[in-house]
Amino acid sequence: AQSVSQHNHHVILSEAASLELGCNYSYGGTVNLFWYVQYPGQHLQLLLKYFSGDPLVKGIKGFEAEFIKSKFSFNLRKPSVQWSDTAEYFCAVMVDSSYKLIFGSGTRLLVRP
Amino acid sequence: GAVVSQHPSWVICKSGTSVKIECRSLDFQATTMFWYRQFPKQSLMLMATSNEGSKATYEQGVEKDKFLINHASLTLSTLTVTSAHPEDSSFYICSASQGAGELFFGEGSRLTVL
Repeated sequence: AQSVSQHNHHVILSEAASLELGCNYSYGGTVNLFWYVQYPGQHLQLLLKYFSGDPLVKGIKGFEAEFIKSKFSFNLRKPSVQWSDTAEYFCAVMVDSSYKLIFGSGTRLLVRP
Repeated sequence: GAVVSQHPSWVICKSGTSVKIECRSLDFQATTMFWYRQFPKQSLMLMATSNEGSKATYEQGVEKDKFLINHASLTLSTLTVTSAHPEDSSFYICSASQGAGELFFGEGSRLTVL
């Protein structure tokens, strides 16, 4: 069965620090990859997505992610985090263009001012 | 972006009663909607795929008789938790596709069963 692993459950950073959140998936076929963010008290919002083409994807709010097919990874990065980035981040995989998303367990990010 | 709305946003009910949660796509038509369940401090677990005009497809381990899904129109899907018990207390989230592989999520509905 397909699965998504997020290795960091909790991350605490100071403002201006760099961020990298790991995401690995297990599926050998075609995948579309997503990162969603859930700010406190709000619903899920799409940060960025990868369908095809350039494996380095840029999203909103300065986030980017790199798809490395050989490693089955789609890590999220941001060079300099802000306090407002405090949220929970979910990696998700859509297999075979089915529209069905499989989510990772999420990573709670706390950015200290 | 497209808007998906859920109602109610929170509900408290007594054990043994049934609760209906609505999911609407406000500015687009969605032939397919998805229902997720999120436990505290955990990820979203896909419960079922709701298809307009046909029966829902449930994920393994999800009781279809307990979680009734109806997708009566291209803009509305409902999830009814029948004979709810405290272990059904959770955060239920729906999503809908506008096409192009992107899903839009509702605000979620928090169910508390006493």
